[in-house]
Amino acid sequence: EAQVTQNPRYLITVTGKKLTVTCSQNMNHEYMSWYRQDPGLGLRQIYYSMNVEVTDKGDVPEGYKVSRKEKRNFPLILESPSPNQTSLYFCASRDGQGYNSPLHFGNGTRLTVT
Amino acid sequence: GQQLNQSPQSMFIQEGEDVSMNCTSSSIFNTWLWYKQEPGEGPVLLIALYKAGELTSNGRLTAQFGITRKDSFLNISASIPSDVGIYFCAGPPSGGYQKVTFGTGTKLQVIP
Repeated sequence: EAQVTQNPRYLITVTGKKLTVTCSQNMNHEYMSWYRQDPGLGLRQIYYSMNVEVTDKGDVPEGYKVSRKEKRNFPLILESPSPNQTSLYFCASRDGQGYNSPLHFGNGTRLTVT
Repeated sequence: GQQLNQSPQSMFIQEGEDVSMNCTSSSIFNTWLWYKQEPGEGPVLLIALYKAGELTSNGRLTAQFGITRKDSFLNISASIPSDVGIYFCAGPPSGGYQKVTFGTGTKLQVIP
């Protein structure tokens, strides 16, 4: 089954403790992206990657890192999480051919930083 | 960054009623996308629009690409309980398809 898989689904952590949220897709998609969803703000793009070893900042990249060493994986790294990073995070991928290819989303990771 | 504003922010409607929502931008978009997010899941694409003035339907859903290219509209006819969810407009800002900006969302609740 074609899918985007995020792990974990739920995560509670403390300020300053480094964490990684994994994302993997099995559709051979070139484009991958991370979003955070907050009430009243919709989905805001954190980072995106057009292909292996190519990553770019989205609209809210501060406090996050990503890497794209393999086509299928796009982990999101929070080196020193803070409470304002408490949010619902989504990973998404699409065929790199562009705008007429839909984004496929994972089921989300709910992060709480205390 | 680019902001897409959706209205209304939320709405309660009776089953069987029609629904209208819209999305506005301060700058031009060349493509408008409408996604639906059901509880506990990621958004799923409903409709894509590629030309100003375009009107596209998907079952009971109809979306329009505004003439000014700065807005888009989504209508749902004869709503049913499974229409519940958050509806997002989205699109790549003019000049590039790498970034996909999402709107603030319209939360729809249907009363049976």
